[in-house]
Amino acid sequence: GAGVSQSPSNKVTEKGKDVELRCDPISGHTALYWYRQRLGQGLEFLIYFQGNSAPDKSGLPSDRFSAERTGESVSTLTIQRTQQEDSAVYLCASSSGGGWGLAKNIQYFGAGTRLSVL
Amino acid sequence: AQSVTQLDSHVSVSEGTPVLLRCNYSSSYSPSLFWYVQHPNKGLQLLLKYTSAATLVKGINGFEAEFKKSETSFHLTKPSAHMSDAAEYFCVVPGAGGYNKLIFGAGTRLAVHP
Repeated sequence: GAGVSQSPSNKVTEKGKDVELRCDPISGHTALYWYRQRLGQGLEFLIYFQGNSAPDKSGLPSDRFSAERTGESVSTLTIQRTQQEDSAVYLCASSSGGGWGLAKNIQYFGAGTRLSVL
Repeated sequence: AQSVTQLDSHVSVSEGTPVLLRCNYSSSYSPSLFWYVQHPNKGLQLLLKYTSAATLVKGINGFEAEFKKSETSFHLTKPSAHMSDAAEYFCVVPGAGGYNKLIFGAGTRLAVHP
């Protein structure tokens, strides 16, 4: 597609429920990233995919958080047993990847999913 | 470890006056640096990037930033603010892992008044 697409744009859930957030990267981009943005704060790195593999999961805050990517395309971020502190905007980005140069690694962001846990 | 500090959480200017958004960085080497802008309900957009080619970097929408190693700063400026510049601005540095793990400042919210 023309840009990074995330769905849903807003999600309200009850504490303890599981949620799935979806990211469709720019077509042909091999690298995909998830970030979390809490209210009034900068973005926190969660996880990075190169193809369908995740070389860096160091930002996932707990084992309740997981992510997968299939077909070197769509990615899903799953949060199990949501807690109120999970409330945030979850942003996805993609880059063309596959090299060391900056041009291949500029990250293009989606509009995010605003998650509210009641 | 790499980090960035945005010195102002909020900046308010009048339309037509200069904009200055301040960012200091910490790095054990001369890093790449970026400024991203986030308009309400929209994704982050890259404004400009510094990669050691030239210390004064020009970006989109009339913004520019100057890398000053002696001051460890990378402040964002614009000579004349426009109403459409109202947004959140983030100073960003690649982490130790390179471009795959960006480290964001806390952000500066720019308000532009008529």
